[in-house]
Amino acid sequence: DIQMTQSPSSVSASVGDRVTITCRASQGVSSWLAWYQQKPGKAPKFLIYAASSLQSGVPSRFSGSGSGTDFTLTISSLQPEDFATYYCQQANSFPYTFGQGTKLEIK
Amino acid sequence: QVQLVQSEAEVKKPGSSVRVSCKASGDSFSRYSISWVRQAPGQGLEWMGGIIPIFGSANYAQRFQGRVTITADESTSTAYMELSSLRSEDTAVYYCARARDGSSGYFAYWGQGTLVTVSS
Repeated sequence: DIQMTQSPSSVSASVGDRVTITCRASQGVSSWLAWYQQKPGKAPKFLIYAASSLQSGVPSRFSGSGSGTDFTLTISSLQPEDFATYYCQQANSFPYTFGQGTKLEIK
Repeated sequence: QVQLVQSEAEVKKPGSSVRVSCKASGDSFSRYSISWVRQAPGQGLEWMGGIIPIFGSANYAQRFQGRVTITADESTSTAYMELSSLRSEDTAVYYCARARDGSSGYFAYWGQGTLVTVSS
């Protein structure tokens, strides 16, 4: 199985800050990488696919980059509604696997 | 607008089985893969397996092989996940999720989740 490792596990930031979360795959997944946002008690929300393509309706302050084994999710200017847990997921091969999550908290 | 509506919460005894349903609306059901993802309390997301209804055969994560069965009924646009030989570690919220396009592993649409509690 492909292991996905996110860093950091948690981060504190303020409204307006720029935040970057990284995700590393244990083997290459080309650009088959997605990012999700999850708030407590809710289902995950699909943000980015193919490493850098923004899902329709997702604010442009979210962006993704990377290929192969190293990926990043950047939020350019944090808004109050962005405080949540973020997961990366590889869609290159079965079984699909997720990172352990990065909790984004208000400083 | 694609919507996935799951069945209600369940409480089960260890050793028993549970079946969770996921009814889709708003788009063609048969052509898009449906996966099941679970989340134990306070933990991350774990893919269990998925199916493309028009093809009928499912793929499963190895760790659930033999215990999980995923099926789809095209006539009612409903997918099912059955998990057997339940143990306390299976207590989790179970989500169904539909692919963004065709058979891709990008989960663009999610059900509301079904809490399964395994307790004696």
